[in-house]
Amino acid sequence: NAGVTQTPKFRVLKTGQSMTLLCAQDMNHEYMYWYRQDPGMGLRLIHYSVGEGTTAKGEVPDGYNVSRLKKQNFLLGLESAAPSQTSVYFCASSALWDSSYNEQFFGPGTRLTVL
Amino acid sequence: AQSVTQLGSHVSVSEGALVLLRCNYSSSVPPYLFWYVQYPNQGLQLLLKYTTGATLVKGINGFEAEFKKSETSFHLTKPSAHMSDAAEYFCAVSGDTGNQFYFGTGTSLTVIP
Repeated sequence: NAGVTQTPKFRVLKTGQSMTLLCAQDMNHEYMYWYRQDPGMGLRLIHYSVGEGTTAKGEVPDGYNVSRLKKQNFLLGLESAAPSQTSVYFCASSALWDSSYNEQFFGPGTRLTVL
Repeated sequence: AQSVTQLGSHVSVSEGALVLLRCNYSSSVPPYLFWYVQYPNQGLQLLLKYTTGATLVKGINGFEAEFKKSETSFHLTKPSAHMSDAAEYFCAVSGDTGNQFYFGTGTSLTVIP
């Protein structure tokens, strides 16, 4: 049982390049989330999904797109990377809200640098 | 809307001293509250959570937190700090729809030998 995994762990991009971050969970969770973590700003929600085939915008969605084609995977895409997107990205998942296990489980993070 | 305020971005305590990390929340509905810990270069790990029932919640590693509705607070405490407690701590509250979580900006805890 690996929990939540993220690939890659590190990446350096040039401005304007694109990339996709992959998040996978093996806990059969309905909800999945993408956050970015910046110094002094805590975690900010980018996009989230409440089930396979659904996505919704969070607090800071601009410049990112997501897809949830399979229940266990949640992809975060940057179409044209900008230096302002340099950050640490965390994926998380959680079970159905009416479950007592409604905490979020986090992946180890992806450290992205945009030059 | 929901929000969380963590007072003090940096807290230093001596080894063996009391740890107190403050969290205040705003919520228009009964909140679900969480404390997470993040060790360097790692993801977030749940310390404890309050959903319903007993307002004093015990978590891992000797931490506990008390939900005080009248004060809209959920402060994290530990009677005696260990060096291994040095980390970043985040308070979070659940969203109105129950599937969004709102995090505070974090408190970095330093433990002085």
